[in-house]
Amino acid sequence: QKEVEQDPGPLSVPEGAIVSLNCTYSNSAFQYFMWYRQYSRKGPELLMYTYSSGNKEDGRFTAQVDKSSKYISLFIRDSQPSDSATYLCAMSAENKIIFGKGTRLHILP
Amino acid sequence: DVKVTQSSRYLVKRTGEKVFLECVQDMDHENMFWYRQDPGLGLRLIYFSYDVKMKEKGDIPEGYSVSREKKERFSLILESASTNQTSMYLCASSLVMGAPDTQYFGPGTRLTVL
Repeated sequence: QKEVEQDPGPLSVPEGAIVSLNCTYSNSAFQYFMWYRQYSRKGPELLMYTYSSGNKEDGRFTAQVDKSSKYISLFIRDSQPSDSATYLCAMSAENKIIFGKGTRLHILP
Repeated sequence: DVKVTQSSRYLVKRTGEKVFLECVQDMDHENMFWYRQDPGLGLRLIYFSYDVKMKEKGDIPEGYSVSREKKERFSLILESASTNQTSMYLCASSLVMGAPDTQYFGPGTRLTVL
């Protein structure tokens, strides 16, 4: 089993819908759980991160971590065409960051 | 505004050529990283450096070397480019190893080896 699993998509949803992006992981030692957004032909940029378990909200974005299920989620409310990008989950432990493969998201106007 | 810059956005090289990819950061970060990103494989760590002249192999170092002569500059070297090294190369730097809110990526170099 890979350390971090993420469905590559693509995922297409209509504008205004709630988007749910997910990753699973196998390493119980992960402490930081991150979501990066990567626009086409750009480098990834950190969107949100949480330390250990729980939820974190930032505007239209909510990150959730369920350590008992080894499952993390990113929710995007009121999705906009500008949210169209690749979203990468990532996790870190012992000073090493492991990335998921990324999910391509298309928001249809 | 924090900045990680990479010398080229697009590069086309021939098999067997020696290729240099340059990365510069202006945040006085100790740690710098080189990743490659491929469809279906995600981001994979090639090499990283935690100090000037110090380097560590990542997950896929074969066919690559690095150089860090100055704190702000980290170079990735392909000694003899091969077609399987066609990829997007991303440089990153961080203040604290493993701390996500201190790591920043450059815009990437899309390398094509013919």
